Amino acid sequence: EVQLVESGGGLVQPGGSLRLSCAASGFTFSSYWMSWVRQAPGKGLEWVANIKQDGSEKYYVDSVKGRFTISRDSAKNSLYLQMNSLRAEDTAVYYCARENHIPARRNFDYWGQGTLVTVSS
Amino acid sequence: QSALTQPASVSGSPGQSITIPCTGTSSDVGGYNYVSWYQQHPGKAPKLMIHDVSNRPSGISSRFSGSKSGNTASLTISGLQAEDEADYYCSSYTSSSTYVFGTGTKVTVL
Repeated sequence: EVQLVESGGGLVQPGGSLRLSCAASGFTFSSYWMSWVRQAPGKGLEWVANIKQDGSEKYYVDSVKGRFTISRDSAKNSLYLQMNSLRAEDTAVYYCARENHIPARRNFDYWGQGTLVTVSS
Repeated sequence: QSALTQPASVSGSPGQSITIPCTGTSSDVGGYNYVSWYQQHPGKAPKLMIHDVSNRPSGISSRFSGSKSGNTASLTISGLQAEDEADYYCSSYTSSSTYVFGTGTKVTVL
């Protein structure tokens, strides 16, 4: 059974940093692209970033470029999101999602339950 | 990258069919057959319902179907049931090698 379990969320002050983790199990982690998707309270979904199987390609939504860094450790079956210079507008539930990224397929087929990040003084 | 446009709400009676449009541009919806649809119940994680325009993952009811014409994709739910009441989001791959989600549609079963 595919499982994605996020951790690391919490309350942080504006300008602060936080590192999110996503522990993956039930599939060959090193064979999949992975993504982070966030959802502000009462708002819609926003794709944040993704990373290729070997970490050689990474893409980000414009609003987090230069502040967030996505990474992965296949030895630990884990995905990470380092978030720096946090702003109030980064407050959201952050989901880890497995990405189908092969010819003729682009979608997120499994999601974690999310971890809440609150940026507030 | 602007969010794809969806109606805020759509409603229907049990047994009826409803359609949710998702409008983008030639740089996302219109440029690729990479539109997917997600269902989200309150407090829950999103669930993949349709991928790559019109494909249903294993276990998803045939009452859910997808299509695309130009820059607009659509999700149709036929034989509406109470359990279908949820938020629905479209998503598309983009020419920037990123993804964009729709604004979301709340489906109400009357």
